[in-house]
Amino acid sequence: DTEVTQTPKHLVMGMTNKKSLKCEQHMGHRAMYWYKQKAKKPPELMFVYSYEKLSINESVPSRFSPECPNSSLLNLHLHALQPEDSALYLCASRHIGQTLYGYTFGSGTRLTVV
Amino acid sequence: KNEVEQSPQNLTAQEGEFITINCSYSVGISALHWLQQHPGGGIVSLFMLSSGKKKHGRLIATINIQEKHSSLHITASHPRDSAVYICAVRGSNYQLIWGAGTKLIIKP
Repeated sequence: DTEVTQTPKHLVMGMTNKKSLKCEQHMGHRAMYWYKQKAKKPPELMFVYSYEKLSINESVPSRFSPECPNSSLLNLHLHALQPEDSALYLCASRHIGQTLYGYTFGSGTRLTVV
Repeated sequence: KNEVEQSPQNLTAQEGEFITINCSYSVGISALHWLQQHPGGGIVSLFMLSSGKKKHGRLIATINIQEKHSSLHITASHPRDSAVYICAVRGSNYQLIWGAGTKLIIKP
């Protein structure tokens, strides 16, 4: 298995809803990332997990709450989002310390906040 | 000035043409990545380079560390190659610094 799987592919939520995005990989990668991408812009780093511990939080608002319950799974819990949070949310993973290997990205969750 | 600059921003070509996309960077890097993104879609990693040249099918990527420059070439381009191609460099902290992307359209 050489993929990063993200679910759902599309999500529409109201500003009072609570929802979660899921990211899963079975490549043994111990670094996992959440990115946010607005249209026609490069991805912006949100969070980095290393060995299931949060190592980087790029000043992301608390309405986004990441969770890494095990080495294969990364969640992003969403609560009280704003319409400007509508974007493509990408998950990525990487072997730690393996400089020969790059990142593997998921296909993303297209989030619309109404 | 951005730390990673790509050119051109947009490129339209006819099927079969040889395509070159350029990337220049101004920071020290441990690796450079070329990535592909189709409209509305996820990102696919094409190459990771720290020196020299890599080839995969019709795609070739080169890097010149001294000049801080990389190129992505596509030979015998095809409409399915239409996508945004992104150059990203990995600094010493392993985080990626992204270029703005090159939107490529190949017309049949």
